[in-house]
Amino acid sequence: NAGVTQTPKFQVLKTGQSMTLQCAQDMNHNSMYWYRQDPGMGLRLIYYSASEGTTDKGEVPNGYNVSRLNKREFSLRLESAAPSQTSVYFCASNPDRGSSYEQYFGPGTRLTVT
Amino acid sequence: GNSVTQMEGPVTLSEEAFLTINCTYTATGYPSLFWYVQYPGEGLQLLLKATKADDKGSNKGFEATYRKETTSFHLEKGSVQVSDSAVYFCALVPSGGSNYKLTFGKGTLLTVNP
Repeated sequence: NAGVTQTPKFQVLKTGQSMTLQCAQDMNHNSMYWYRQDPGMGLRLIYYSASEGTTDKGEVPNGYNVSRLNKREFSLRLESAAPSQTSVYFCASNPDRGSSYEQYFGPGTRLTVT
Repeated sequence: GNSVTQMEGPVTLSEEAFLTINCTYTATGYPSLFWYVQYPGEGLQLLLKATKADDKGSNKGFEATYRKETTSFHLEKGSVQVSDSAVYFCALVPSGGSNYKLTFGKGTLLTVNP
């Protein structure tokens, strides 16, 4: 049981390049989330998916797209990377059962855009 | 809207000192409240939670009490260890929501010196 996994761990992009951050969970959770973490800003929600086939915008969606490929996988795509997207990106999941509000986080992807 | 305010860091303590990290929130109704911890180079993990007023969450020697009258959920530990050095995030999930989106505070960096 690996929990939430993310690839890659580190990435350097040039401005204008595109890339996809991958996230997978093996806990059969319904909801999945993408956050970015910047110094002094805490975590901010980019997109989330309440169930397979649905996605919704969070607090800071501009410049990103997501795909909920199946129940396990939730990817985040940067179509044209900008220096402002330099950040640490975390994926998380949640089972949505009863009062279990705990989110389970992956180890993060550290992205630098030059 | 919902918001979480936690004390600015960084906080630096000596081993065995008493720790308090203040957290207050703004939300309607009775949100669920959480403390997450992020160790260096890792993702976030749930430290403790409380889902109704006057509940006390506790784990690993840390405690926090849900105070509805002061809209607070302060984190305390009687005797910190070097291994407690991490970033601590206060967070909430609003009551009655159809999803489990977390609203985070900005985080407090704790450094414990031997």
